[in-house]
Amino acid sequence: GAVVSQHPSWVICKSGTSVKIECRSLDFQATTMFWYRQFPKQSLMLMATSNEGSKATYEQGVEKDKFLINHASLTLSTLTVTSAHPEDSSFYICSARGTGNETQYFGPGTRLLVL
Amino acid sequence: LAKTTQPISMDSYEGQEVNITCSHNNIATNDYITWYQQFPSQGPRFIIQGYKTKVTNEVASLFIPADRKSSTLSLPRVSLSDTAVYYCLVGRRGFQKLVFGTGTRLLVSP
Repeated sequence: GAVVSQHPSWVICKSGTSVKIECRSLDFQATTMFWYRQFPKQSLMLMATSNEGSKATYEQGVEKDKFLINHASLTLSTLTVTSAHPEDSSFYICSARGTGNETQYFGPGTRLLVL
Repeated sequence: LAKTTQPISMDSYEGQEVNITCSHNNIATNDYITWYQQFPSQGPRFIIQGYKTKVTNEVASLFIPADRKSSTLSLPRVSLSDTAVYYCLVGRRGFQKLVFGTGTRLLVSP
């Protein structure tokens, strides 16, 4: 149980385009989902927290207009990187937490390369 | 959120027991301790979670002393596939977010 998937697993795009990453909880309802970014050899950095049906809460320094997060259902959250630039190239990881469950389960990650 | 401190790296050999200690001096009464494992280019994988004393599952044990200011993840008889980064995190019951520290990079050699 407690499986979280992400799609796509990797994406290459041109600078200036937008990229959408999906995060799904496959066998539980996720009232809260989180988005992280991880650069090579570094730890995970929390970008934002999203609760189903409400606006995401972004961490300091994360541009909400650049990283659009939607959590429209209890099993799906999406992260859209708008007008992507090479410096947005990174490994994006989502996690999900169900109701009454203190454990976060992570997706496999999405590798984004912006050319 | 309680800050955690772990060794940056550890080396071990196949078949040995590995103990990774995490310090969390500012842990609060309602905080739980959770350990994750991460392989390169993968999302973190939940290993174990505990509140006090000892917790054991099929892959690891978690030892938490009475003052709860530290915890030790114990991996019995490691194999090469246990080479990974291990993160210790502390958070309140129902906490909203996790803050990852640097983690401990474990290298298991033949």
